[in-house]
Amino acid sequence: GEDVEQSLFLSVREGDSSVINCTYTDSSSTYLYWYKQEPGAGLQLLTYIFSNMDMKQDQRLTVLLNKKDKHLSLRIADTQTGDSAIYFCAENNNDMRFGAGTRLTVKP
Amino acid sequence: NAGVTQTPKFQVLKTGQSMTLQCAQDMNHEYMSWYRQDPGMGLRLIHYSVGAGITDQGEVPNGYNVSRSTTEDFPLRLLSAAPSQTSVYFCASKPRQGAVSYEQYFGPGTRLTVT
Repeated sequence: GEDVEQSLFLSVREGDSSVINCTYTDSSSTYLYWYKQEPGAGLQLLTYIFSNMDMKQDQRLTVLLNKKDKHLSLRIADTQTGDSAIYFCAENNNDMRFGAGTRLTVKP
Repeated sequence: NAGVTQTPKFQVLKTGQSMTLQCAQDMNHEYMSWYRQDPGMGLRLIHYSVGAGITDQGEVPNGYNVSRSTTEDFPLRLLSAAPSQTSVYFCASKPRQGAVSYEQYFGPGTRLTVT
Protein backbone atom coordinates (compact mmCIF):
# COMPACT_ATOMS: atom_id res chain seq x y z
CA GLY A 1 0.00 0.00 0.00
CA GLU A 2 0.94 3.65 0.00
CA ASP A 3 2.96 4.83 3.00
CA VAL A 4 3.78 8.17 4.50
CA GLU A 5 7.08 8.07 6.37
CA GLN A 6 8.66 10.38 8.90
CA SER A 7 11.48 10.11 11.37
CA LEU A 8 10.14 9.59 14.89
CA PHE A 9 12.20 12.05 16.94
CA LEU A 10 13.81 15.48 16.61
CA SER A 11 15.46 17.52 19.33
CA VAL A 12 16.50 21.16 18.94
CA ARG A 13 17.54 24.08 21.15
CA GLU A 14 15.21 26.99 21.72
CA GLY A 15 15.76 29.66 19.06
CA ASP A 16 17.14 27.24 16.47
CA SER A 17 15.27 26.19 13.35
CA SER A 18 13.57 22.79 13.23
CA VAL A 19 13.16 20.84 10.02
CA ILE A 20 10.80 17.87 9.98
CA ASN A 21 10.90 15.69 6.89
CA CYS A 22 8.31 13.42 5.31
CA THR A 23 8.16 11.20 2.27
CA TYR A 24 5.00 10.00 0.61
CA THR A 25 4.31 7.64 -2.23
CA ASP A 26 0.90 8.57 -3.68
CA SER A 27 1.69 10.98 -6.50
CA SER A 28 -2.01 11.66 -7.04
CA SER A 29 -2.38 13.37 -3.64
CA THR A 30 -3.82 16.81 -4.20
CA TYR A 31 -3.05 18.26 -0.78
CA LEU A 32 -0.35 17.58 1.77
CA TYR A 33 -0.71 18.62 5.37
CA TRP A 34 1.10 19.17 8.60
CA TYR A 35 -0.76 18.62 11.85
CA LYS A 36 0.40 19.32 15.39
CA GLN A 37 -0.63 17.24 18.38
CA GLU A 38 0.09 18.47 21.89
CA PRO A 39 0.00 16.01 24.81
CA GLY A 40 -3.51 14.72 25.53
CA ALA A 41 -5.03 16.73 22.71
CA GLY A 42 -6.44 16.08 19.26
CA LEU A 43 -4.83 17.05 15.98
CA GLN A 44 -4.57 20.68 15.03
CA LEU A 45 -4.05 21.59 11.39
CA LEU A 46 -0.90 23.69 11.14
CA THR A 47 -0.64 24.24 7.43
CA TYR A 48 -1.20 22.57 4.10
CA ILE A 49 0.18 22.84 0.59
CA PHE A 50 -1.48 22.19 -2.74
CA SER A 51 0.39 19.70 -4.86
CA ASN A 52 1.18 22.17 -7.65
CA MET A 53 3.11 24.44 -5.25
CA ASP A 54 6.78 24.20 -4.29
CA MET A 55 6.74 26.31 -1.19
CA LYS A 56 4.36 27.91 1.24
CA GLN A 57 5.30 30.29 4.04
CA ASP A 58 3.11 31.17 6.98
CA GLN A 59 4.78 33.24 9.70
CA ARG A 60 7.40 30.98 11.31
CA LEU A 61 6.38 27.97 9.22
CA THR A 62 7.79 27.12 5.81
CA VAL A 63 6.58 24.09 3.86
CA LEU A 64 8.68 22.79 0.99
CA LEU A 65 7.35 20.26 -1.49
CA ASN A 66 9.52 18.32 -3.92
CA LYS A 67 6.97 16.51 -6.00
CA LYS A 68 9.55 14.69 -8.10
CA ASP A 69 11.09 13.07 -5.00
CA LYS A 70 7.74 12.95 -3.12
CA HIS A 71 9.38 14.79 -0.24
CA LEU A 72 7.68 17.26 2.06
CA SER A 73 9.31 19.26 4.83
CA LEU A 74 8.20 21.61 7.57
CA ARG A 75 10.62 24.23 8.83
CA ILE A 76 9.86 26.05 12.07
CA ALA A 77 11.96 29.17 12.50
CA ASP A 78 12.99 30.40 15.97
CA THR A 79 11.64 27.25 17.61
CA GLN A 80 10.08 27.83 21.03
CA THR A 81 9.36 25.46 23.92
CA GLY A 82 5.68 25.74 23.05
CA ASP A 83 6.46 24.09 19.73
CA SER A 84 7.23 20.82 21.53
CA ALA A 85 4.65 18.37 20.21
CA ILE A 86 4.18 15.55 17.74
CA TYR A 87 3.99 16.67 14.11
CA PHE A 88 2.13 14.56 11.58
CA CYS A 89 2.54 14.68 7.86
CA ALA A 90 -0.55 13.60 5.89
CA GLU A 91 -1.54 13.20 2.28
CA ASN A 92 -5.01 13.33 0.82
CA ASN A 93 -6.43 11.66 -2.24
CA ASN A 94 -9.91 10.46 -1.30
CA ASP A 95 -9.05 9.70 2.30
CA MET A 96 -6.28 11.03 4.45
CA ARG A 97 -3.21 8.95 5.14
CA PHE A 98 -0.96 9.93 8.04
CA GLY A 99 2.65 9.40 8.87
CA ALA A 100 3.62 8.00 12.25
CA GLY A 101 4.47 11.44 13.63
CA THR A 102 7.72 13.17 14.61
CA ARG A 103 8.10 14.04 18.27
CA LEU A 104 9.79 17.45 18.47
CA THR A 105 11.52 18.27 21.75
CA VAL A 106 12.70 21.83 22.28
CA LYS A 107 15.39 22.29 24.92
CA PRO A 108 15.81 25.65 26.66
CA ASN B 1 -20.31 25.81 18.01
CA ALA B 2 -18.87 23.03 20.13
CA GLY B 3 -17.16 21.49 17.08
CA VAL B 4 -16.52 17.75 17.36
CA THR B 5 -17.13 16.24 20.79
CA GLN B 6 -16.26 12.77 21.99
CA THR B 7 -17.21 10.82 25.08
CA PRO B 8 -15.84 9.31 27.19
CA LYS B 9 -12.35 10.81 27.42
CA PHE B 10 -10.95 7.66 29.05
CA GLN B 11 -12.24 4.10 29.27
CA VAL B 12 -10.93 0.80 30.61
CA LEU B 13 -12.58 -2.41 29.42
CA LYS B 14 -12.04 -6.08 30.10
CA THR B 15 -11.52 -8.42 27.18
CA GLY B 16 -14.88 -9.43 25.72
CA GLN B 17 -16.83 -6.42 26.97
CA SER B 18 -18.67 -4.20 24.57
CA MET B 19 -19.00 -0.45 24.53
CA THR B 20 -19.86 2.51 22.34
CA LEU B 21 -17.66 5.53 21.79
CA GLN B 22 -19.77 8.59 21.13
CA CYS B 23 -19.01 11.30 18.60
CA ALA B 24 -21.11 14.34 17.77
CA GLN B 25 -20.64 17.44 15.65
CA ASP B 26 -22.77 20.57 15.44
CA MET B 27 -21.42 21.95 12.17
CA ASN B 28 -23.89 20.14 9.89
CA HIS B 29 -21.03 18.23 8.29
CA GLU B 30 -21.95 15.40 5.97
CA TYR B 31 -18.68 13.49 6.31
CA MET B 32 -17.59 11.89 9.58
CA SER B 33 -14.87 9.40 10.30
CA TRP B 34 -13.17 7.41 13.04
CA TYR B 35 -9.40 6.93 13.37
CA ARG B 36 -7.27 5.04 15.81
CA GLN B 37 -3.85 6.27 16.82
CA ASP B 38 -1.17 3.82 17.90
CA PRO B 39 2.44 4.65 18.83
CA GLY B 40 4.71 4.74 15.83
CA MET B 41 1.82 4.19 13.40
CA GLY B 42 0.08 7.53 12.98
CA LEU B 43 -3.67 7.61 12.48
CA ARG B 44 -5.47 4.84 10.65
CA LEU B 45 -9.00 5.11 9.29
CA ILE B 46 -11.51 2.67 10.84
CA HIS B 47 -14.86 3.63 9.32
CA TYR B 48 -16.36 6.66 7.68
CA SER B 49 -19.72 8.04 6.67
CA VAL B 50 -20.58 10.38 3.80
CA GLY B 51 -24.03 11.17 5.17
CA ALA B 52 -26.86 9.95 7.34
CA GLY B 53 -27.65 6.32 6.63
CA ILE B 54 -24.39 5.69 4.73
CA THR B 55 -21.27 4.12 6.21
CA ASP B 56 -18.21 2.41 4.76
CA GLN B 57 -15.06 0.67 5.91
CA GLY B 58 -11.68 2.26 6.17
CA GLU B 59 -8.26 0.70 6.51
CA VAL B 60 -8.77 -1.18 9.82
CA PRO B 61 -12.51 -1.91 10.26
CA ASN B 62 -12.37 -5.36 11.90
CA GLY B 63 -13.86 -5.48 15.39
CA TYR B 64 -15.75 -2.20 15.00
CA ASN B 65 -19.26 -1.26 13.90
CA VAL B 66 -20.69 2.13 13.11
CA SER B 67 -24.05 3.63 12.27
CA ARG B 68 -25.18 7.07 11.18
CA SER B 69 -28.82 7.62 11.96
CA THR B 70 -28.47 11.41 12.16
CA THR B 71 -26.14 13.97 10.61
CA GLU B 72 -24.84 14.95 14.04
CA ASP B 73 -23.91 11.59 15.58
CA PHE B 74 -21.49 8.86 14.53
CA PRO B 75 -21.01 6.28 17.30
CA LEU B 76 -18.31 3.60 17.14
CA ARG B 77 -19.16 0.25 18.69
CA LEU B 78 -16.73 -2.36 19.94
CA LEU B 79 -18.69 -5.61 20.07
CA SER B 80 -16.15 -7.73 21.96
CA ALA B 81 -13.13 -5.75 23.09
CA ALA B 82 -9.65 -7.19 22.61
CA PRO B 83 -6.29 -5.97 23.96
CA SER B 84 -5.29 -5.14 20.38
CA GLN B 85 -7.95 -2.43 20.44
CA THR B 86 -6.11 -0.51 23.14
CA SER B 87 -5.54 2.81 21.42
CA VAL B 88 -6.54 6.44 21.22
CA TYR B 89 -9.61 6.98 19.07
CA PHE B 90 -10.30 10.19 17.19
CA CYS B 91 -13.49 11.20 15.52
CA ALA B 92 -13.34 13.77 12.71
CA SER B 93 -15.77 15.61 10.48
CA LYS B 94 -15.69 17.77 7.39
CA PRO B 95 -18.41 19.40 5.31
CA ARG B 96 -18.52 16.62 2.66
CA GLN B 97 -16.31 13.86 1.32
CA GLY B 98 -14.94 15.97 -1.49
CA ALA B 99 -14.13 18.92 0.77
CA VAL B 100 -10.46 19.72 1.00
CA SER B 101 -9.19 18.32 4.22
CA TYR B 102 -8.06 21.58 5.77
CA GLU B 103 -11.72 21.84 6.67
CA GLN B 104 -11.51 18.60 8.67
CA TYR B 105 -11.99 18.96 12.41
CA PHE B 106 -10.83 16.43 14.98
CA GLY B 107 -12.38 15.63 18.33
CA PRO B 108 -10.23 15.55 21.50
CA GLY B 109 -9.92 11.76 21.47
CA THR B 110 -10.93 8.79 23.63
CA ARG B 111 -8.15 6.83 25.31
CA LEU B 112 -9.23 3.18 25.52
CA THR B 113 -7.42 0.46 27.42
CA VAL B 114 -8.49 -3.17 27.12
CA THR B 115 -7.11 -5.52 29.76
